[in-house]
Amino acid sequence: AQKITQTQPGMFVQEKEAVTLDCTYDTSDQSYGLFWYKQPSSGEMIFLIYQGSYDEQNATEGRYSLNFQKARKSANLVISASQLGDSAMYFCAMREGRVLTGGGNKLTFGTGTQLKVEL
Amino acid sequence: EAGVVQSPRYKIIEKKQPVAFWCNPISGHNTLYWYRQNLGQGPELLIRYENEEAVDDSQLPKDRFSAERLKGVDSTLKIQPAELGDSAVYLCASSYTAGLPVTDTQYFGPGTRLTVL
Repeated sequence: AQKITQTQPGMFVQEKEAVTLDCTYDTSDQSYGLFWYKQPSSGEMIFLIYQGSYDEQNATEGRYSLNFQKARKSANLVISASQLGDSAMYFCAMREGRVLTGGGNKLTFGTGTQLKVEL
Repeated sequence: EAGVVQSPRYKIIEKKQPVAFWCNPISGHNTLYWYRQNLGQGPELLIRYENEEAVDDSQLPKDRFSAERLKGVDSTLKIQPAELGDSAVYLCASSYTAGLPVTDTQYFGPGTRLTVL
């Protein structure tokens, strides 16, 4: 089974509208972290937002919020008031296991959602 | 603060040639990662360093790929000889996990786009 599933290969949204990008995950770990990254055509992966598995509140960062539904194993990204500059590929990623001092861990990425913001 | 720096940004080589990629992580970041991103896919980890020690290289094709991180700062990823299937974007990332609070958010460089002809 895929660890990270992004079922929307492409999405369109009107400028100033909100859009939700879907992400479901699969893990047997109790401790994990979920990340969203933006990848413009220039290629750089830009960190957007993080949600820890024990975080009770949904994460928010400016126009980005993460709709975390632990029982459903979903971590959808919500972008409010879309802008033309939001057009990019968006990746959901998961870190399995605890965050340890002195040790990082790999991220497992989904296949991404290509978002296009239209006038 | 400077981000993760990678060079070159683009590289075109013929198959069987060697190629090397360089990465300079964010200052103070102890963990460094190399990922490969094939067209239309998400990145996949090749190798992870904690300081100068490679702690996860299980996905690195060791017959042709090698990496080093001398002095626990800069890192170089090498392919020798390159094959057609190695065409991809090679991304370097770094994170800080050396002290509290531990934040393992990985910050990525712009990547090196490799084309093997």
